[in-house]
Amino acid sequence: EVQLEQSGAELKKPGESLNISCKGSGYTFTNHWIGWVRQMPGKGLECMGIIYPGDSDTRYSPSFQGQVTISADKSISTAYLQWSSLRASDTATYYCARFIAGRLDPWGQGTLVTVSS
Amino acid sequence: QSVLTQPPSVSAAPGQKVTISCSGNSSNIGNNYVSWYRQLPGTAPKLLIYENNKRPSGIPDRFSGSKSGTSATLDITGLQTGDEADYYCGTWDSSLSAGGVFGTGTKVAVL
Repeated sequence: EVQLEQSGAELKKPGESLNISCKGSGYTFTNHWIGWVRQMPGKGLECMGIIYPGDSDTRYSPSFQGQVTISADKSISTAYLQWSSLRASDTATYYCARFIAGRLDPWGQGTLVTVSS
Repeated sequence: QSVLTQPPSVSAAPGQKVTISCSGNSSNIGNNYVSWYRQLPGTAPKLLIYENNKRPSGIPDRFSGSKSGTSATLDITGLQTGDEADYYCGTWDSSLSAGGVFGTGTKVAVL
């Protein structure tokens, strides 16, 4: 079974750094793009960016360029989403999903990030 | 920032049909496949329809999708209380670097 397992919920303070993860299993991790999606409280889905774990080719949506860093370690089939300095406005649930032939499937269970002083 | 436009909500009685529209332009829906996702309360989105009208295994044929020009549609027939959820369309946008775009989302209510 193809699965994406995300790291657990985080409670951080403004200005702190954070790294959340997404581990793939049940398929060849290096052969498919991984996408990161943000969902702010009570809001819709936003594509943040995508990465191809095979060669770490990474592309960001304009709204997220420079705000986060997407990376991957193919040796452990894991993708990452990283912030160097969190803001309260980063409070959201973040999903990873396998991007295959124009669709996102499957999705991880989501990681809730809360940024509050 | 959603590039694709959906109605905020639709509703119908159990057993009836609802239709959700998704409107885009030539750089996204007009030249790319459309997918649909269902998000039950408190859970991650799940793929419902891909390549405009195909269903993944396990998705009942009560759910059907179509595309015409720069718009797409999701139909849900035989509405059930368990269908109450948020529904999002999604596609690729050739004008964007990361490419993936979603609709604004539609909440389905079963009366």
